[in-house]
Parts: sequence; C-alpha cells; structure tokens
Amino acid sequence: GQSLEQPSEVTAVEGAIVQINCTYQTSGFYGLSWYQQHDGGAPTFLSYNALDGLEETGRFSSFLSRSDSYGYLLLQELQMKDSASYFCAVSSNTGFQKLVFGTGTRLLVSP
Amino acid sequence: DAGVTQSPTHLIKTRGQHVTLRCSPISGHKSVSWYQQVLGQGPQFIFQYYEKEERGRGNFPDRFSARQFPNYSSELNVNALLLGDSALYLCASNLAPGENTEAFFGQGTRLTVV
Repeated sequence: GQSLEQPSEVTAVEGAIVQINCTYQTSGFYGLSWYQQHDGGAPTFLSYNALDGLEETGRFSSFLSRSDSYGYLLLQELQMKDSASYFCAVSSNTGFQKLVFGTGTRLLVSP
Repeated sequence: DAGVTQSPTHLIKTRGQHVTLRCSPISGHKSVSWYQQVLGQGPQFIFQYYEKEERGRGNFPDRFSARQFPNYSSELNVNALLLGDSALYLCASNLAPGENTEAFFGQGTRLTVV
C-alpha cells in the first residue's frame, strides 16, 4: 500500500518559522511535492524534491531524505495569509502523473 | 492566460443519478488528471488521460469513467451516484505524463449527493 503521514494541525504566530513533516511509504518513488490549499480553493504547487537535500523558494524551503522516506516543508517569516492546509504528495515513476497525497496539515497563523 | 477551468462549480444531485463534470486544461497541456477530495482529506487520484487515452486509473469503481477530447479537454462521468460520492472533484493538467512537473489544479467542482 501507499501512505503519507503528516501532523494534522500546526499553530504558529506571525513572523515565526514552522516545519511540517511528511513520512511516506509508497511503491515506487520519483519525487516529493508540496501543495498549499486555502479553504474552498485549488491546491497550488509550492515545491518539488527529487533528490536528497534542501530546495529553497523564497520564504518556503523543502527537504528530502530518500533513505529515510522523509521530507519536510519549512515556512519562514510566517504571514496571516499562510494559514491554509499543506499537503505532501509522492509522484511515482510509473510513466504517468499520479500524485499520492498525504492527509494534510492545517496551519493556523495568529497575530 | 487562463488556468485550468472546471464546470460547473457546484452541483447537487440525487442518489442514483448520473453526473458529468468538465475540465479544460491550460493551453498547451496535453495531460489531464482527475482527483476526488473528500472534506478533511487529501485529493485521491481517479484517472489520468493523455492524447485521448487512459494512462492511469486509481482505486475507484467502474461507476467512474472519463474521456479526453481532441482539444485535450476532459469529462468525468459518475453513474449511480452514492452519498459517499459527495466531494470536491479536482482536475489537474500537465504538459505530459511522466515528466513529474508540477500539477496545475482547477478550482474544482463541489458535488453534493442527497
């Protein structure tokens, strides 16, 4: 089977740094993606890691360790607008674009 | 440029009915995938289509079917609706399958089955 585990909820204050962890068990692995979804909105792509290490995109960074089947999303300088659900998703190298999503982490940013 | 567009945005159907959801990918994208997102959960993969052919199928019953047209738009059909089919149905487009580029999602169709 395939499963991705994330914390269900994380709370933080504006300006803080928060890390959202993701551990996965999948049959076939090509890369780990992160998506943000505001209530009632579409998931939007944040980052993608195919190789071990850290990818930085502005205030967001993502890390992958393939040997540990583990990754995390790091959000810095938190803003109120960052309050949303965050999903990790594994893409498999089976020749088609299937994303297996985690259950999501709800981030609440307070003033 | 228009993103992925889906129609309708909201829909209410009765158990046992049939529904058709529509998706237009981003211009130039030839691959369309469908996902079901139940409230409080992550999206679950239903289908992927590329060049009008089914390239992948998730763990959904045969009541779910889809097709892709020559202009790369797609339809998702669900027959014999059940209460459990109530969900947000998301369409995502990519340039091509297997490239593992980012998926661009539409706003979804909120289906309620009563």
